[in-house]
Amino acid sequence: ETGVTQSPTHLIKTRGQQVTLRCSSQSGHNTVSWYQQALGQGPQFIFQYYREEENGRGNFPPRFSGLQFPNYSSELNVNALELDDSALYLCASQISGGGDTQYFGPGTRLTVL
Amino acid sequence: DQQVKQNSPSLSVQEGRISILNCDYTNSMFDYFLWYKKYPAEGPTFLISISSIKDKNEDGRFTVFLNKSAKHLSLHIVPSQPGDSAVYFCAASVRVNNDMRFGAGTRLTVKP
Repeated sequence: ETGVTQSPTHLIKTRGQQVTLRCSSQSGHNTVSWYQQALGQGPQFIFQYYREEENGRGNFPPRFSGLQFPNYSSELNVNALELDDSALYLCASQISGGGDTQYFGPGTRLTVL
Repeated sequence: DQQVKQNSPSLSVQEGRISILNCDYTNSMFDYFLWYKKYPAEGPTFLISISSIKDKNEDGRFTVFLNKSAKHLSLHIVPSQPGDSAVYFCAASVRVNNDMRFGAGTRLTVKP
């Protein structure tokens, strides 16, 4: 059984650019959540996808968007990057649509210059 | 707004002794609570959880206590081992929702 994987590991972008981060969920998991973890803080919920539909969203602007594919893998897209978007982006998967334990990937470290 | 708070950024204990990590929350709708452990360059690893219908849950050396009236939970690690040194995050959610809220974390150092 493979765990949650994320790519790339690290990424450097400049302000105003767009970025796509990828996540493969753990085998058998149909739900993926994305989190942003700034330095010295806990992860903050961005949104969740369940069966290819957005299933809850945190307090993030619309330039943060996502997709989930039929194999339950997921993408996080961020447009018009800002310096404050520099953070560790974590993906977590779980079995059902809500309320169950989430299992995290290692994260993608995004630096915006 | 920070609905989950971990007021101690760091904790240092001696190997073999008890580690107690604390967490407070403000949202009385939370009904599911979790502790995650995070090593550098890795994602958070699930440790233990507790539902609001319980006040205690044990798993080996790890016990989580929930005091709903005080909106407080704690993680006890007995005995502490050097391998337990990591950042511990407390998290809470309303199970019908999907918005899991995390505290800022407590860095635990267990000294040999």
